[in-house]
Amino acid sequence: DVKVTQSSRYLVKRTGEKVFLECVQDMDHENMFWYRQDPGLGLRLIYFSYDVKMKEKGDIPEGYSVSREKKERFSLILESASTNQTSMYLCASSGTGGTSNEKLFFGSGTQLSVL
Amino acid sequence: GQQLNQSPQSMFIQEGEDVSMNCTSSSIFNTWLWYKQDPGEGPVLLIALYKAGELTSNGRLTAQFGITRKDSFLNISASIPSDVGIYFCAGQPLGGGADGLTFGKGTHLIIQP
Repeated sequence: DVKVTQSSRYLVKRTGEKVFLECVQDMDHENMFWYRQDPGLGLRLIYFSYDVKMKEKGDIPEGYSVSREKKERFSLILESASTNQTSMYLCASSGTGGTSNEKLFFGSGTQLSVL
Repeated sequence: GQQLNQSPQSMFIQEGEDVSMNCTSSSIFNTWLWYKQDPGEGPVLLIALYKAGELTSNGRLTAQFGITRKDSFLNISASIPSDVGIYFCAGQPLGGGADGLTFGKGTHLIIQP
């Protein structure tokens, strides 16, 4: 069974802390994504990566960075957490070729609360 | 960026009822996708549509790719309690990569026993 695993389901951090959200996929997918989900706003793309060491900004990258040192792992970093970054964070991956790239497989999400 | 209007925002229905929801776009999409998010989980792909006019079923779910390429519909027949969740549409423009997916804001389906 294909799997995207996010390291934490719930996380509580303090304002100003550096926060790492980890995501691992076991499908040998080239593409990986980080979204945040907020009530009434749907899913918004933060960053994505189409290859190891490659990263591109999505629609709302401010306050975030990412790291992709290995194909299976894509990390989201909040350099200095703020209360407006309290949200559900979803990692996703997809393959390439044909009609694969738009079929996203999502992790279960990390609910981050910044106090 | 592209705008996707998904409606209704929420639905309160009785078990056994049929459900309809839709998404409309301000621009043309080449691919439409429908996802479902169970409470406490990430979204899961239900149906993918690739041609204007295409009608595709997955069990009790049926989705259609609108002729104008600017809309899509999802119907659920004879709803059951496990249908509860948030349904998202997503559209991809011609030539767009997965980063070009635009998601609707979701339809929250609640089933009353």
